[in-house]
Amino acid sequence: GENVEQHPSTLSVQEGDSAVIKCTYSDSASNYFPWYKQELGKGPQLIIDIRSNVGEKKDQRIAVTLNKTAKHFSLHITETQPEDSAVYFCAASRGGFQKLVFGTGTRLLVSP
Amino acid sequence: EAQVTQNPRYLITVTGKKLTVTCSQNMNHEYMSWYRQDPGLGLRQIYYSMNVEVTDKGDVPEGYKVSRKEKRNFPLILESPSPNQTSLYFCASSLGGTLEPQHFGDGTRLSIL
Repeated sequence: GENVEQHPSTLSVQEGDSAVIKCTYSDSASNYFPWYKQELGKGPQLIIDIRSNVGEKKDQRIAVTLNKTAKHFSLHITETQPEDSAVYFCAASRGGFQKLVFGTGTRLLVSP
Repeated sequence: EAQVTQNPRYLITVTGKKLTVTCSQNMNHEYMSWYRQDPGLGLRQIYYSMNVEVTDKGDVPEGYKVSRKEKRNFPLILESPSPNQTSLYFCASSLGGTLEPQHFGDGTRLSIL
């Protein structure tokens, strides 16, 4: 079955710096890769996603890149702000009613 | 307001005492699922449901039961809870399957003594 590895487990940056979180997946049939942000005491919330027919997607300060050959995808946050501090999860799925498999999470701390 | 509601939010109980965590969504979503979140392990799927009366096992179903008698509700049942089920639980729903954004509840923290 699918296995998703996520690194780093913790990431500390200064406000205004960029942050990059990386994930690798094992199932070459996976074709959907969402990223979720979990704030303290809340459930995860989708922030951006990418499908396998696209190499990069941007939404303001957030971007995701996908390398299907290497089975690798990354989340990039530019101009980080303290409110970006949270736990971020990557995930992968074959779609339909197939499982959504999550990575182990990255705790991002943005210091003012 | 579109939301997924879980109850209770916190529960401390003892081994062997049956408990139910309720989950309700008001978005007319077809797909619902349960996850548990443990430190260092991320979110792991327990059970999912594609529609009313259709459920299937996820990665860690042992010790859990679910039912989907109505579209909006998807309760998680622990018939005989054990300490290794101490965890943070999330219910999620989506319009149709895992290619859609998953809408998560705010979680239920269970402690089994």
